[in-house]
Amino acid sequence: DAMVIQNPRYQVTQFGKPVTLSCSQTLNHNVMYWYQQKSSQAPKLLFHYYDKDFNNEADTPDNFQSRRPNTSFCFLDIRSPGLGDAAMYLCATSRVGGSGNTIYFGEGSWLTVV
Amino acid sequence: GQQVMQIPQYQHVQEGEDFTTYCNSSTTLSNIQWYKQRPGGHPVFLIQLVKSGEVKKQKRLTFQFGEAKKNSSLHITATQTTDVGTYFCAGPTSGTYKYIFGTGTRLKVLA
Repeated sequence: DAMVIQNPRYQVTQFGKPVTLSCSQTLNHNVMYWYQQKSSQAPKLLFHYYDKDFNNEADTPDNFQSRRPNTSFCFLDIRSPGLGDAAMYLCATSRVGGSGNTIYFGEGSWLTVV
Repeated sequence: GQQVMQIPQYQHVQEGEDFTTYCNSSTTLSNIQWYKQRPGGHPVFLIQLVKSGEVKKQKRLTFQFGEAKKNSSLHITATQTTDVGTYFCAGPTSGTYKYIFGTGTRLKVLA
């Protein structure tokens, strides 16, 4: 059973048209992450929530926003998608504690900008 | 800032040959994790190493954490076509629980 669920799996949007990607988790993990992964590259962390605390990476453009209304759900909003934002967006979760935190990824949302 | 590099970037092997990818961090790591991403898929956790010099095995996969805790390796013995994918190492940024992913090694196995 999927533990980190992303919707939609595939999204086509027009240049400049806002898009929202959603993520839900059944693991009750306290941390939720959003990564951007472009072709043949490593996942790049955009931001994450530790409980309700939002943590933005320094180089994440303002065009990207996030919401976490409750423990189970997290959203990625792209306010004005550009062609360079076409990528796979990965939601992930982990439980902070102990000597390390396994990161569980969703299957990803593929974004195409036309 | 902290960087995690992997070599090689790409590796093509004949089925049955061995494969090794190396991971190097610019800073000392409290632990290191390895993930596998199949083509078109998402990263899947393989293993975590914590102790200096630690070696762990999973069937044909052998993982090692360097003595200085700044490097790691993944060795696959007798590769199979099911081993195809990109292998990422990931290490926590200093003092935090956020993980930085290595640049990845894409493995292609020729039957």
